[in-house]
Amino acid sequence: DAKTTQPPSMDCAEGRAANLPCNHSTISGNEYVYWYRQIHSQGPQYIIHGLKNNETNEMASLIITEDRKSSTLILPHATLRDTAVYYCIVREHNNAGNMLTFGGGTRLMVKP
Amino acid sequence: NAGVTQTPKFRVLKTGQSMTLLCAQDMNHEYMYWYRQDPGMGLRLIHYSVGEGTTAKGEVPDGYNVSRLKKQNFLLGLESAAPSQTSVYFCASSYLGNSPLHFGNGTRLTVT
Repeated sequence: DAKTTQPPSMDCAEGRAANLPCNHSTISGNEYVYWYRQIHSQGPQYIIHGLKNNETNEMASLIITEDRKSSTLILPHATLRDTAVYYCIVREHNNAGNMLTFGGGTRLMVKP
Repeated sequence: NAGVTQTPKFRVLKTGQSMTLLCAQDMNHEYMYWYRQDPGMGLRLIHYSVGEGTTAKGEVPDGYNVSRLKKQNFLLGLESAAPSQTSVYFCASSYLGNSPLHFGNGTRLTVT
């Protein structure tokens, strides 16, 4: 699976959009981009995933560049409860085991 | 619908003792996983299972054994605990190999 690079930390003002970047320059054509987050002392929570089209759900939007070498997770109106570590992961869809590899992630701090 | 439940939540062991961590899911998921998370690091996959009666090694399997006798349960065993196994252990499950993972809230294990 391709490796990802994320900034170690970011700040965001409450009520503003949080834009979390992720570089995955070695991504292959059949690898998806997944985002999870981990709020302190809890298990990771799935947010969203996509292949090449932009995706949106009730939690966030995922913007993937046309060359698929990078993506951005957007939390449109960040709240204090969105303070967490956000993990960007790329992996191939297969049935050999969902061996998601979590790197260091981005620690997002939402401030009042 | 409880999702993924891990027991116990906390445990302290002495070096050389053994214990079993239990993970139970009520979502009829085929795939289950055990991860460990150390301070300041992402999650690392220990073992996983693609269905009842099957198990496979992940990234860091040494010192651990697993069993999946029932579809809803995935057990992680430490036969002879070592201080290096002090960590937070997360269990996860997914419907298929390419489905999002659902995580439990972790077991905090300290080995002295």
